[in-house]
Amino acid sequence: QKEVEQNSGPLSVPEGAIASLNCTYSDRGSQSFFWYRQYSGKSPELIMSIYSNGDKEDGRFTAQLNKASQYVSLLIRDSQPSDSATYLCALCFYNQGGKLIFGQGTELSVKP
Amino acid sequence: KAGVTQTPRYLIKTRGQQVTLSCSPISGHRSVSWYQQTPGQGLQFLFEYFSETQRNKGNFPGRFSGRQFSNSRSEMNVSTLELGDSALYLCASSLLGQGDTEAFFGQGTRLTVV
Repeated sequence: QKEVEQNSGPLSVPEGAIASLNCTYSDRGSQSFFWYRQYSGKSPELIMSIYSNGDKEDGRFTAQLNKASQYVSLLIRDSQPSDSATYLCALCFYNQGGKLIFGQGTELSVKP
Repeated sequence: KAGVTQTPRYLIKTRGQQVTLSCSPISGHRSVSWYQQTPGQGLQFLFEYFSETQRNKGNFPGRFSGRQFSNSRSEMNVSTLELGDSALYLCASSLLGQGDTEAFFGQGTRLTVV
């Protein structure tokens, strides 16, 4: 079993809708979680970080973490065509320095 | 504030050659991590350096090595290149490289081995 799993998609949503991206992980150790966005041919760009259970909001983005159920999600409200990209979930163990473990990414397509 | 700078952006090398990639982190950041990204394997952790010391290493052969200088700049070296080494190589910089610090990526070096 992979440490971090994401649906590869593609996930297609209409413009203005809410896009929901999910990520599950297998280890119960102490971790922090990050969502990155990667446009085709570009490098990953950090969108959100979340360290404790609950919701964290930043503009149109909301990250949700549930450590008991071992999942983390990213909601994108009022989706725009410019949000079309691959979204990568990553976790980092507190005792492993800066090592990020990535999921395979979910491709999101926002249709005008 | 300047971001993470990777050079060169593109490289074409022949099998058996070696290559050195460079990464300059964000000013003040002391941790540099390297990743390999391929369509089949996704983003895979290579190694992480903090204050010139390798703190963590991924599951890659010994042909992949790195180092970090006193100014936090880092280099990655791949010797005896194989076709399968063709990938996007990314470095990420973070302040302390601890689990709760955010990491920022450079633009990457696209390596093609022919």
